[in-house]
Amino acid sequence: ELKVEQNPLFLSMQEGKNYTIYCNYSTTSDRLYWYRQDPGKSLESLFVLLSNGAVKQEGRLMASLDTKARLSTLHITAAVHDLSATYFCAVDNGSSNTGKLIFGQGTTLQVKP
Amino acid sequence: EAGVTQSPTHLIKTRGQQATLRCSPISGHTSVYWYQQALGLGLQFLLWYDEGEERNRGNFPPRFSGRQFPNYSSELNVNALELEDSALYLCASSLVLGPQNGPYGYTFGSGTRLTVV
Repeated sequence: ELKVEQNPLFLSMQEGKNYTIYCNYSTTSDRLYWYRQDPGKSLESLFVLLSNGAVKQEGRLMASLDTKARLSTLHITAAVHDLSATYFCAVDNGSSNTGKLIFGQGTTLQVKP
Repeated sequence: EAGVTQSPTHLIKTRGQQATLRCSPISGHTSVYWYQQALGLGLQFLLWYDEGEERNRGNFPPRFSGRQFPNYSSELNVNALELEDSALYLCASSLVLGPQNGPYGYTFGSGTRLTVV
C-alpha cells in the first residue's frame, strides 16, 4: 500500500530562519497536496502539485515536487510566528482514481520569537 | 462561495449509541469524502461518495456507514459507538474530473468532534 512519510515530525525554529519539510511517498503518484492545520481546526489547502518539477509559492512557503524521486518539499523562508501549525502532505493513490488521500504523519512547526 | 459545512461541531455520545454526522459540499461539487483524525492515528480515509453512490471505503468496520443525498450532501453514521471512535471527523468535497484524472483539490470542512464516553 502507498505510504507517505514526513520528516521531521516536529520542528522548533527561530523567527527569521529558513527550513525545509520533506515528504516521501512509496509509489507512483502525480498529485501531491500540502495542507496546514491549526490546533483543533480543519485542514487548509496550501498547494496542489500536479506534475514533475512543479513549484508553487505563496508568501513565505514554497512547495516543489519531484515525481522521479517521489519527494516533495515545503520550504519555509524567514519564518514568522503565524506559521506555527501542523503541516501535512498527502498523495492520491497513484493513477487509479480511488478518491483516497494518503496523508503523512504531519510536521508540527513551532516558530519562536 | 460557501465552503464545506459540517454539523454538529461537537457531539458527545455514550458507548453503544449511534452518531450521525452531516456534511454539505461546496456548490457544484459532486464528491464527498469522510476522514477520521484520531489522536495518535493520523488522518485515515473512511468513505467516498460520488453521484449518490459509495465509490470506496477505507479499512473501517461496517458499523461506519453513510449515504449521499440527491443534493450531494452526505451523512456519516457510526453505530455501536466505541471509546476509540472518539476523533475529529472531517468531510471534504471535490469536483471529479473523470475516472483517470481524479479530483483537482479537496476542500475540507471544519469537522465534527465526536467524543464517546
